[in-house]
Amino acid sequence: QKEVEQNSGPLSVPEGAIASLNCTYSDRGSQSFFWYRQYSGKSPELIMFIYSNGDKEDGRFTAQLNKASQYVSLLIRDSQPSDSATYLCAVNIEMETTAGNKLTFGGGTRVLVKP
Amino acid sequence: DTEVTQTPKHLVMGMTNKKSLKCEQHMGHRAMYWYKQKAKKPPELMFVYSYEKLSINESVPSRFSPECPNSSLLNLHLHALQPEDSALYLCASSYTSGSMNEQFFGPGTRLTVL
Repeated sequence: QKEVEQNSGPLSVPEGAIASLNCTYSDRGSQSFFWYRQYSGKSPELIMFIYSNGDKEDGRFTAQLNKASQYVSLLIRDSQPSDSATYLCAVNIEMETTAGNKLTFGGGTRVLVKP
Repeated sequence: DTEVTQTPKHLVMGMTNKKSLKCEQHMGHRAMYWYKQKAKKPPELMFVYSYEKLSINESVPSRFSPECPNSSLLNLHLHALQPEDSALYLCASSYTSGSMNEQFFGPGTRLTVL
């Protein structure tokens, strides 16, 4: 079973602070990694993707990938109450039995940003 | 146009009904997906269509029947569902089904089976 693991939270951060979310994965062949934000009752919204080791920054978000250690993280700088949501880590895993790739999601981390 | 649309937004059906969910995108994407999401759980992949051909079926029961009439449209036909099939059904699309492609989700159809 190829797995993606996240701490379920809630991760409580004060407004203006940095929220740090972690995700580990078991399949060493994984090639691309995605962070989705999901507000309650809504669909997932893509906020970051990364496929090379190192950091990738987009606005207040930074994704970090370490393939040797099999983890990917997301930093949210200057956290706002509007960042309160569940953050889903997704890993693209190559299927063994059929041609193609599939996204496998972690269980999500709930983030609460307190004013 | 950079969005995936889904209809209906909500659907209530009995166990003997037949209904269909519809998904549409006009981004020129050639891969489309159906996911199922239960409350407080992550999305679970059901089907993948690549260039209008079914490429992945995650052992989904036959009461769910996908259809891809053209590159912009994806349907999910529902028949004889069970109450445990109540969930948020999400459609997604990506440029292709390759591993480096971002998947974009539609707003979902919230299905209740009575």
